[in-house]
Amino acid sequence: EAGVAQSPRYKIIEKRQSVAFWCNPISGHATLYWYQQILGQGPKLLIQFQNNGVVDDSQLPKDRFSAERLKGVDSTLKIQPAKLEDSAVYLCASSFLGVPSYEQYFGPGTRLTVT
Amino acid sequence: GEDVEQSLFLSVREGDSSVINCTYTDSSSTYLYWYKQEPGAGLQLLTYIFSNMDMKQDQRLTVLLNKKDKHLSLRIADTQTGDSAIYFCAETPLMTTDSWGKLQFGAGTQVVVTP
Repeated sequence: EAGVAQSPRYKIIEKRQSVAFWCNPISGHATLYWYQQILGQGPKLLIQFQNNGVVDDSQLPKDRFSAERLKGVDSTLKIQPAKLEDSAVYLCASSFLGVPSYEQYFGPGTRLTVT
Repeated sequence: GEDVEQSLFLSVREGDSSVINCTYTDSSSTYLYWYKQEPGAGLQLLTYIFSNMDMKQDQRLTVLLNKKDKHLSLRIADTQTGDSAIYFCAETPLMTTDSWGKLQFGAGTQVVVTP
């Protein structure tokens, strides 16, 4: 079974530029999550999708961050414009709807550096 | 709000047992998890425990849950150099329309295994 795929793996941009990250979840996983992991901290949930609908985006800075999950499969997370404090690893995870333990499977992440 | 706390660092000698501790505050937690993160990689689910259990064993891993004290621990028997990583404790609150599958992570414990 293929895992969660993310691209790019690394990105360096200047502040005020835009950036987009892509995620392809495990086939058949209805739930998709984007997390932000700042160095030295645990991952923090940014947004959660159920199929192509948003379940929770309470922690998403909506003035600069946006995410979509067209057709309920792939997802894109965008930052526009980026700030220095957005430097972090952005992790995508997916889970299969109906599994009682809510197991989440994580991709390798995209490391973003904003200079 | 919810909070998950862990000690930041643990050094252990190869062959010894490691014990990583975690405390949480949300009494409605349903599942508690241990994830492992190696350098440059995403998070890997190691094990989880349902809140009505007090112990779970899986090969070299033993999870203990003290629900009264809201304390979770992970014991790794016969620790190997390949166990060097960051270990995250996480919890999922009671399922609601706003929190389905939502994970709250601790800051992680860096485990260093020395020969």
